[in-house]
Order: sequence, then structure tokens, then C-alpha cells
Amino acid sequence: DAMVIQNPRYQVTQFGKPVTLSCSQTLNHNVMYWYQQKSSQAPKLLFHYYDKDFNNEADTPDNFQSRRPNTSFCFLDIRSPGLGDAAMYLCATSGQTGGGETQYFGPGTRLLVL
Amino acid sequence: GQNIDQPTEMTATEGAIVQINCTYQTSGFNGLFWYQQHAGEAPTFLSYNVLDGLEEKGRFSSFLSRSKGYSYLLLKELQMKDSASYLCAVRDRDYKLSFGAGTTVTVRA
Repeated sequence: DAMVIQNPRYQVTQFGKPVTLSCSQTLNHNVMYWYQQKSSQAPKLLFHYYDKDFNNEADTPDNFQSRRPNTSFCFLDIRSPGLGDAAMYLCATSGQTGGGETQYFGPGTRLLVL
Repeated sequence: GQNIDQPTEMTATEGAIVQINCTYQTSGFNGLFWYQQHAGEAPTFLSYNVLDGLEEKGRFSSFLSRSKGYSYLLLKELQMKDSASYLCAVRDRDYKLSFGAGTTVTVRA
């Protein structure tokens, strides 16, 4: 049973053409995260939502925006993709604070910028 | 912030044991995770440590020493399907994860 779903799995866009990646979850988790992972590198946190509270990482470019219309869905908008934005984008979720709440990852969307 | 170090690559033979070390420096430790990531796929959760000691889950075990800022993941009875990247991740008090760059394990027949 899919728990964290990302669409599309592969996305090709043109330099400067806006693109939206989507993530949905069936876990009813209140925290959702977006990571960027480039080849052979660690996943890098872009931002996360704690319920509706948006938390941006200090070094996340303004080019990257996010929306969370409800608990289940979260979107990553790249307003003007550059060649350097080609990467795997991973969505993850986790439950309420405390204990060993694990982050569960979706399958990722691989973005190619032409 | 977090500073997480782990070896880049390791190679081992099918049926053998491999230990992947991870050292970290953190401003607020709130747990350490190990994830497995096959090429082109998302990370999958393997283990979690928040207290010192060894956690065993089947063929995989993870150890933590908070005073030393050190953890290891032990993979026993290696199988070909264990060939993957293994990511060490440290969680801070804001419940954010910082990942190491990963250790690529190659299992040879």
C-alpha cells in the first residue's frame, strides 16, 4: 500500500519554465518535508510544513516555493528552473513530535531541465 | 548545525559482515537514523537510535554512542540485494534530519 505518493516520477521541463511537483500521503502525518538530492549527494532539506506552518531553510533559493492546501497534499513549485535544479526531489512525512517518529519517503520525482 | 561523516564506499563478499561507521557533530541531538537507498529510489528506513547501545533488527544492527558522536550500522549475512547506499541521518531538536553523503556498499559474489 502506497503511503507517500509523488507525481510525476519523472519530469522534464525547459530552462525557465515553471514546474510543479506533487506529493500526497495516506498516513495522516502532520509534518511534510521536501528534499533535493543530486547525484551521489545527501538529501538536502528545502523546507517543511508542521501542519500549516511553513518552515523554510535559510539556504533554500527563492526560486523554490511550496503549498500545502490540506493535510494530505503538498506541492513544490519551481518558478524558473535552472540547469542546476536538475535533481531528485523527495517528499517525506512524519507524525507528531516525540519518540522515534520516522520520516517516510516517497519514491521521488526526478527532474530534468533542458 | 550538523556535520556528518561516513565512508564513501565499501566492498564486501556475499555472506560476510560489513560495518559502516558514522561520526557526527551536532548542536542538538535528537536521534540518529539509518536509511538504505538503492540507485534512483527513495531512502527506506532501517533503524533508529536515540539512547546509547545496540539496536538489532534481523540482519541489521545499529549502535550509538552519544558521548563520542558515533554510530555504526552492521550488516550481517550480506546478500546481493544489500548493494545500495546507506545514509546516516541525525535529527535535531526541531525534528529536522541532516543526512550524511552516504556509503555505497557493493556486495560481490
